[in-house]
Amino acid sequence: DAGITQSPRHKVTETGTPVTLRCHQTENHRYMYWYRQDPGHGLRLIHYSYGVKDTDKGEVSDGYSVSRSKTEDFLLTLESATSSQTSVYFCAISAGTGTNYGYTFGSGTRLTVV
Amino acid sequence: AQTVTQSQPEMSVQEAETVTLSCTYDTSENNYYLFWYKQPPSRQMILVIRQEAYKQQNATENRFSVNFQKAAKSFSLKISDSQLGDTAMYFCAFMKRGGNTPLVFGKGTRLSVIA
Repeated sequence: DAGITQSPRHKVTETGTPVTLRCHQTENHRYMYWYRQDPGHGLRLIHYSYGVKDTDKGEVSDGYSVSRSKTEDFLLTLESATSSQTSVYFCAISAGTGTNYGYTFGSGTRLTVV
Repeated sequence: AQTVTQSQPEMSVQEAETVTLSCTYDTSENNYYLFWYKQPPSRQMILVIRQEAYKQQNATENRFSVNFQKAAKSFSLKISDSQLGDTAMYFCAFMKRGGNTPLVFGKGTRLSVIA
């Protein structure tokens, strides 16, 4: 399995402060994704990346930005956190082909905005 | 845009019994993947089973099997001999094949296995 690490695992922050979540992978995969998970909504795509400096928006991208300056790191930034961004955030990579294709997820970051 | 619908927010099953979780999806694509992911209380997302749309045969992984009905756009998960460790959220997900278009998830079904 791909080594994929998210940091921090938990964070509490105040409304209006900037927050950056980090996703790190060890196996040089091209595609990386950020999702948020909320009760009753499943996982929704925020942004994704298909290479260094190549990113695109997902379904719920408002209020979020991303950066990918190195293959191994994909950063998610909340420029000015709001209570509606309280959520669990998952990073994922996609890998494999055919019958081995799938996503691998990080352990998630629980973010609370107070 | 593709959508995935899980119509059962919560289900319960007795230990050792069989349970089926429903999933339907909407797409105009012909070539795609379908997945079931399990999320136990630990929060980790674990791949349970995958199905490639061009394959007629239903995928199986030990006690887990799917009923894939392509024409009906249905992809249900059957768990046989349910165990306490199967207690988790289960997510159905869809992905168009090729181009690494992102995975689209349903809202999930919370399954409780009762001793």
